[in-house]
Amino acid sequence: QKEVEQNSGPLSVPEGAIASLNCTYSDRVSQSFFWYRQYSGKSPELIMSIYSNGDKEDGRFTAQLNKASQYVSLLIRDSQPSDSATYLCAVSPRYSNYQLIWGAGTKLIIKP
Amino acid sequence: DTGVSQDPRHKITKRGQNVTFRCDPISEHNRLYWYRQTLGQGPEFLTYFQNEAQLEKSRLLSDRFSAERPKGSFSTLEIQRTEQGDSAMYLCASSGDSLGETQYFGPGTRLLVL
Repeated sequence: QKEVEQNSGPLSVPEGAIASLNCTYSDRVSQSFFWYRQYSGKSPELIMSIYSNGDKEDGRFTAQLNKASQYVSLLIRDSQPSDSATYLCAVSPRYSNYQLIWGAGTKLIIKP
Repeated sequence: DTGVSQDPRHKITKRGQNVTFRCDPISEHNRLYWYRQTLGQGPEFLTYFQNEAQLEKSRLLSDRFSAERPKGSFSTLEIQRTEQGDSAMYLCASSGDSLGETQYFGPGTRLLVL
């Protein structure tokens, strides 16, 4: 089992709809969770970090963390074509206070 | 704050040649990380510096790879005797010291080994 798993996609969503991206992780004691967006040929850029159970909202983005079920999700409201990218989930494991374990990413396509 | 910078942005080399990449982190960040990323995969951890000390190196990293951060500021990653399998995007990131600090990435260096 991979430490951090994401559906590779592509996930196709109509413009204006809600895009829902999911990530599961294996280390129950993980403390820090990150969503990064990566455009083709570019480096990852941080969308949101979340550390506590529940929802965290930032503009059109909402991160949801459920430590009991070991999943973290990212919702994108009012999806725009510019949101088309690969979304990477990263988790800070118990055995390291600096290393991040990365999922392979979900490719999101927003159709106009 | 000028962000993380990397140089060069692209490098094409022939198999067997040595290459060196440079990373300049965000100035107040003590932690610096190197990753490698291939198509369709997430970043793969290579090594990590706390100031000038290299505290961890991935087991996946062969002896052909070496990294330095001599004065705790910029860092270099050298690959000796490059192989075609080394072709990838090499990413540098930096962060503060606290637990759970966000890592900020540079633009990356894309290496192609012919």
